[in-house]
Amino acid sequence: AQSVAQPEDQVNVAEGNPLTVKCTYSVSGNPYLFWYVQYPNRGLQFLLKYITGDNLVKGSYGFEAEFNKSQTSFHLKKPSALVSDSALYFCAVRTLSGTYKYIFGTGTRLKVLA
Amino acid sequence: DTEVTQTPKHLVMGMTNKKSLKCEQHMGHRAMYWYKQKAKKPPELMFVYSYEKLSINESVPSRFSPECPNSSLLNLHLHALQPEDSALYLCASSQGAGTYEQYFGPGTRLTVT
Repeated sequence: AQSVAQPEDQVNVAEGNPLTVKCTYSVSGNPYLFWYVQYPNRGLQFLLKYITGDNLVKGSYGFEAEFNKSQTSFHLKKPSALVSDSALYFCAVRTLSGTYKYIFGTGTRLKVLA
Repeated sequence: DTEVTQTPKHLVMGMTNKKSLKCEQHMGHRAMYWYKQKAKKPPELMFVYSYEKLSINESVPSRFSPECPNSSLLNLHLHALQPEDSALYLCASSQGAGTYEQYFGPGTRLTVT
């Protein structure tokens, strides 16, 4: 069965410290991987995606993610966290080029402490 | 313009009411989506329209009825809802399937009393 796991319900980090939000996947075929962020009572905002090519993907607001095929992971990172980064983060994967459906992770709440 | 707009922002309706949610995008996207999201959970796909035709219906109860009048507009008609249908309803659009990311609207917070 295909799945996406975000093993941490919540991640706490001090402002200015680096942050990592973890995502692992289990799919057949080549994965198309996405990260979205959701602020309270708002829709999801696209941060970045991996389709092919360079394993390090840079996205919006200083976020980046590293695709690791051997570990089937796509962790989201940022070198220096801001209090305004506090939000709910979702990892998502598609496995077929023609599909509209995502497999979403359960979400990780990031809390950046001042 | 990379915005998806949704109206209304909030909606309270009784179980016998009929109401509609509206979604609009002007990015030229040919795929539009409805999602339902409960608190602290990932969005659940309900419907997908591709080139104004219903492409996916995720076995959604018939009390939810989608409509795509044109390539920029998506409606969700609601009738005889249940309290458990209370949720945030998100609209999204994308250029296409597969590698394309989705752009989400801010959602309509629906409460069924």
